[in-house]
Amino acid sequence: QQQVKQSPQSLIVQKGGIPIINCAYENTAFDYFPWYQQFPGKGPALLIAIRPDVSEKKEGRFTISFNKSAKQFSLHIMDSQPGDSATYFCAARGPNFGNEKLTFGTGTRLTIIP
Amino acid sequence: GAVVSQHPSWVICKSGTSVKIECRSLDFQATTMFWYRQFPKQSLMLMATSNEGSKATYEQGVEKDKFLINHASLTLSTLTVTSAHPEDSSFYICSARDWGGVVETQYFGPGTRLLVL
Repeated sequence: QQQVKQSPQSLIVQKGGIPIINCAYENTAFDYFPWYQQFPGKGPALLIAIRPDVSEKKEGRFTISFNKSAKQFSLHIMDSQPGDSATYFCAARGPNFGNEKLTFGTGTRLTIIP
Repeated sequence: GAVVSQHPSWVICKSGTSVKIECRSLDFQATTMFWYRQFPKQSLMLMATSNEGSKATYEQGVEKDKFLINHASLTLSTLTVTSAHPEDSSFYICSARDWGGVVETQYFGPGTRLLVL
């Protein structure tokens, strides 16, 4: 119930392409879905987050698509650049009362080739 | 976004010694902080949740006597790895929750690399 399944495990995309990373969850109590970007040897950095009352959110080149009925959400990176090469983690969290820990996906190692 | 710092960024110690890692929220007050452990090429594993002024809540399988957590102020939490052994070598990352504004957001520190010889 607490799992967040993330795919693919790794992804190689040419510069300018649109990598898509997918996540699926089971717990319908989850109401906050952030994405984190992590470079080697660094802590995760919050990239973008969404709540289930909207189906899409854009921030710069990053877009989250959210499908509440399918319990799935995905990250799209527009006009990808080599500097976007990193590991991306999706996460989910329930409401604050008693279920507020982030549950992380297993991560996707993204490589953008020039 | 808000800034979370960690100190030290890396530490090498001998087996049997204790190591303290500090986590600070620099520009916000954090009533709740989290400690994670991350092995190479793996996801983050939550070790414990720390609330200011109260005892930490440890995840199943995490030894509270080995990983001592103190959250004495709204901007500082510490993790002490007691009697460290080589299997404790890992990347330790803290996180703090910022309740500013409408949505609470969780920010991560840069991590501390621990190597126990």
